[in-house]
Amino acid sequence: AQRVTQPEKLLSVFKGAPVELKCNYSYSGSPELFWYVQYSRQRLQLLLRHISRESIKGFTADLNKGETSFHLKKPFAQEEDSAMYYCALTLFPGNTGKLIFGQGTTLQVKP
Amino acid sequence: DAGVTQSPTHLIKTRGQQVTLRCSPKSGHDTVSWYQQALGQGPQFIFQYYEEEERQRGNFPDRFSGHQFPNYSSELNVNALLLGDSALYLCASSSAGLYEQYFGPGTRLTVT
Repeated sequence: AQRVTQPEKLLSVFKGAPVELKCNYSYSGSPELFWYVQYSRQRLQLLLRHISRESIKGFTADLNKGETSFHLKKPFAQEEDSAMYYCALTLFPGNTGKLIFGQGTTLQVKP
Repeated sequence: DAGVTQSPTHLIKTRGQQVTLRCSPKSGHDTVSWYQQALGQGPQFIFQYYEEEERQRGNFPDRFSGHQFPNYSSELNVNALLLGDSALYLCASSSAGLYEQYFGPGTRLTVT
């Protein structure tokens, strides 16, 4: 069965420190991976997707098919990065298939 | 454009009752997906509607049903409510063929 695992429920770092939010997936096909973010009192929104290879708000994520991972990284955390982060997988490249989400990681950036 | 809107914001129901949740997609979007998010969990896919038909379905019982109207808005119906149905219900809209799903603020359902 397809599954997305985010092993950390909470990640707490100091401002300016590097951040890595871990995401592992299980899927035998070719996945499309995403990171969604939910800031306090805001709705869930797309942060980035692996096919676009973008850097959004300083965050990057590389798909490692060998390790089945899609970790989210940022070299220098900012306080405004504090939020809930969800890794998600879709099974149907090319259309808007269902998203399978991990359980989420709360990122807390301390001043 | 207000984006994806959902109503009501909060709802309290009793076990065994039925509930209807509503969603209006973002302007220009024709596909609506529904997700259930239990406390402390990630969203779980319920089903997706496109061209007024259920296109995909997640692992949810038949008590969960939906509908999409010609104007692309959608309803989620849950019959015979159980305590375990208490959750945040999210609606997401997208345009067929494009990756990004836009989420609404959710409806918080409490079953007592």
